[in-house]
Amino acid sequence: SQQGEEDPQALSIQEGENATMNCSYKTSINNLQWYRQNSGRGLVHLILIRSNEREKHSGRLRVTLDTSKKSSSLLITASRAADTASYFCATPQGAQKLVFGQGTRLTINP
Amino acid sequence: DAGVTQSPTHLIKTRGQHVTLRCSPISGHKSVSWYQQVLGQGPQFIFQYYEKEERGRGNFPDRFSARQFPNYSSELNVNALLLGDSALYLCASSFAAAYNEQFFGPGTRLTVL
Repeated sequence: SQQGEEDPQALSIQEGENATMNCSYKTSINNLQWYRQNSGRGLVHLILIRSNEREKHSGRLRVTLDTSKKSSSLLITASRAADTASYFCATPQGAQKLVFGQGTRLTINP
Repeated sequence: DAGVTQSPTHLIKTRGQHVTLRCSPISGHKSVSWYQQVLGQGPQFIFQYYEKEERGRGNFPDRFSARQFPNYSSELNVNALLLGDSALYLCASSFAAAYNEQFFGPGTRLTVL
């Protein structure tokens, strides 16, 4: 079963604009991770935020985590055509597995 | 350093057949996990192996099995294929546990006809 739910399911914006996608989860977590997937291929790890962190930056990425609301957001600033991909949030359940949401399909229009 | 590698890239099988998918983790990584991703969905956990032992199993039937070899590479086997097994099968490796960053391979696209 899916742990997280991403919102929106699909997002289309113009190049240069900012893109924000949200993730909600159900159980308490150790950390939350965001991944990108291009064209149905392998996932690429973007950023990991721990449960005691509220915000984390990596280049043009900014991730926030609100454990009281069981939600996280991923902001991509100054979007580029190469950012077109599906984005997934994932939470570890125990030490064995990551549980993924259904993803947000992001399209950057030139 | 090479990333996670998977073979084959694509595979077409018919219902009832058996399939073996292979994965080589990043050098030094001892944990390998397998995920199934149906089109339009997020990846679903199938198995995790660590130090050649099964450490976790997802909600998949017994037709799915896996193993890890002494060099930490892994195989995923699926017997009696069903149409619903058509999916992208992803392998991920990490140094230890799932709550660390996972490194994914490019996946094997399995089509069952």
